[in-house]
Amino acid sequence: DIVMTQSPLSLPVTPGEPASISCKSSQSLLHSNGNTRSTWYVQKPGQSPQLLIYLTSSRASGVPDRFSGSGSGTDFTLKISKVEAEDVGIYYCMQGLQTPYTFGQGTKLEIK
Amino acid sequence: EVQLVESGGGLAQPGGSLRLSCAASGFTFSRYWMHWVRQVPGKGPVWVSRINEDGTTTTYADSVKGRFTISRDNAKNTLYLQMNSLRAEDTAIYFCALDLSGARDCWGQGTLVTVSS
Repeated sequence: DIVMTQSPLSLPVTPGEPASISCKSSQSLLHSNGNTRSTWYVQKPGQSPQLLIYLTSSRASGVPDRFSGSGSGTDFTLKISKVEAEDVGIYYCMQGLQTPYTFGQGTKLEIK
Repeated sequence: EVQLVESGGGLAQPGGSLRLSCAASGFTFSRYWMHWVRQVPGKGPVWVSRINEDGTTTTYADSVKGRFTISRDNAKNTLYLQMNSLRAEDTAIYFCALDLSGARDCWGQGTLVTVSS
């Protein structure tokens, strides 16, 4: 199974400041069709996970442009340019390259 | 608007069975792979199973293989998960999900399954 490792696991951020979460996979997520199948979700309290970023850098419909994804191979990053209070939640990376699809441990973003 | 509504969760005894359903609307159900993902409250999500567009291809996590069966009824726009030989470690919130890791990725609100005597 592909192991997804996130850091940090806790991320206190002052509103208006940037934030960055790292995710490393135990093997390359590059698909034979040229896409790299890393995905980012946020799970807000009491809700199901919501898609933020798919195929490493494509923003999901309705996601604010302060969220961006980057990376290649085995190293991926989610960046929030200016954190807002509503961004509180747990952020998960996931690999969709092969089954079983696997998730990172989660990064809890909190407001300072 | 995409809607996925799970039902069928509840309390089951170890060794017992439950059948989960996921009613889909707001998209062409028969055109998408569908998935089940579970999550123990306070822990991260864990992928369980997937099924292709016409139901002919299914895949399972090792932890549920041989005990769980995923299926779909495209005429009813409904996804199912038959869970047999339930164990305490199957206790979790079960989510159905559309197009996992794709552009239309969307999850339902989940249904809680508790396995306990």
